[in-house]
Amino acid sequence: AQSVTQLDSHVSVSEGTPVLLRCNYSSSYSPSLFWYVQHPNKGLQLLLKYTSAATLVKGINGFEAEFKKSETSFHLTKPSAHMSDAAEYFCVVNLPGSSNTGKLIFGQGTTLQVKP
Amino acid sequence: EAGVAQSPRYKIIEKRQSVAFWCNPISGHATLYWYQQILGQGPKLLIQFQNNGVVDDSQLPKDRFSAERLKGVDSTLKIQPAKLEDSAVYLCASSLDRARGFTDTQYFGPGTRLTVL
Repeated sequence: AQSVTQLDSHVSVSEGTPVLLRCNYSSSYSPSLFWYVQHPNKGLQLLLKYTSAATLVKGINGFEAEFKKSETSFHLTKPSAHMSDAAEYFCVVNLPGSSNTGKLIFGQGTTLQVKP
Repeated sequence: EAGVAQSPRYKIIEKRQSVAFWCNPISGHATLYWYQQILGQGPKLLIQFQNNGVVDDSQLPKDRFSAERLKGVDSTLKIQPAKLEDSAVYLCASSLDRARGFTDTQYFGPGTRLTVL
């Protein structure tokens, strides 16, 4: 079975310090991987996606993620946190289903808190 | 470019009542999805349409949930009758082309927060 696990339900950092949100996946296929962010009362916004091209993916707002097949990981990082980064982050796997519909499988989410 | 539109944004009903949600996808997007997001969890796919046909409804509780996408554009999701456990945010998303579904990006609307009392 395919799945995605976010290793931390809550991460707290100080403004200006690095951010690391961890994600591991399990898959029998070569997956596409995404990170989405959800601010309170807002829709999900795509941060970045990996689609079997470069393993280091750069996204919006200074975020990036590295696909490591040997570790089945896709961790999200940012060198310096900003107060506006406080939100819920979802690691997402897009896998072909029986009808090749490309189902999205969401992780449980990681709440990022940024302290002044 | 306008994003995915949903209405209403909030809805409070009592159990056993019925409710409907509306979604207007991004113009030109062939594929439309409805997700249920229970508090503290990631979204779960309920149903997926390609144009006006259902591609995947394996997770839709068909005894009480129904959805349609007439003319391959707007979609409605209905719950009848509602249960307490249906309290959640209902998200609509759309993507451009199923043929690229393996890597296609889904764009999400703001969601409808449903509270069942």
